[in-house]
Amino acid sequence: ILNVEQSPQSLHVQEGDSTNFTCSFPSSNFYALHWYRWETAKSPEALFVMTLNGDEKKKGRISATLNTKEGYSYLYIKGSQPEDSATYLCAFRAMYSGGGADGLTFGKGTHLIIQP
Amino acid sequence: GAGVSQTPSNKVTEKGKYVELRCDPISGHTALYWYRQSLGQGPEFLIYFQGTGAADDSGLPNDRFFAVRPEGSVSTLKIQRTERGDSAVYLCASSLWGGGNSYNEQFFGPGTRLTVL
Repeated sequence: ILNVEQSPQSLHVQEGDSTNFTCSFPSSNFYALHWYRWETAKSPEALFVMTLNGDEKKKGRISATLNTKEGYSYLYIKGSQPEDSATYLCAFRAMYSGGGADGLTFGKGTHLIIQP
Repeated sequence: GAGVSQTPSNKVTEKGKYVELRCDPISGHTALYWYRQSLGQGPEFLIYFQGTGAADDSGLPNDRFFAVRPEGSVSTLKIQRTERGDSAVYLCASSLWGGGNSYNEQFFGPGTRLTVL
């Protein structure tokens, strides 16, 4: 059983402040780490796919880093806005040596609320 | 272009009944995944299709759950003799190709919220 942990579970942030949260995952058999943003009643939206140790990716005010050797990724949001309120999920994909492909293993998510 | 769609968006049923949940993947995507998110948990993998065949069904919780994809496009998740513990959001995702160690992003639908009374 793969263990993917996210912290904190929930977070209240003032509008304009910056914030970050963590995803930890197995450091062996790493293939990819995904970040998704999931707003209520909508489809989970892909933010980043990270595959290389030391990767840093950026999309607007949101960025992410990856450390596969120690098994963690950070997601950063700069200058939080109310529209950033959502659940942020990370998902781990293991290296697969046979045929077919494994599904993603998700953390429980970080529920982010931006307060005006 | 059209994304992944799922119907119905909400389904309320009684314990013991049979339900079917439908997923329409992005056109041309050969890989299709079903996940289930129970309250307070992250999405959990159920089953993966490559084309028409189930390549990995290791996540199906028991034999009451079954999924098909007869023409390699639309998929139906079928749950027999539903139990209250089956209440969850059922998510479907598709990707261009899912085989072996090739990398492919998964695109998700909005989910079906199933409530078993």
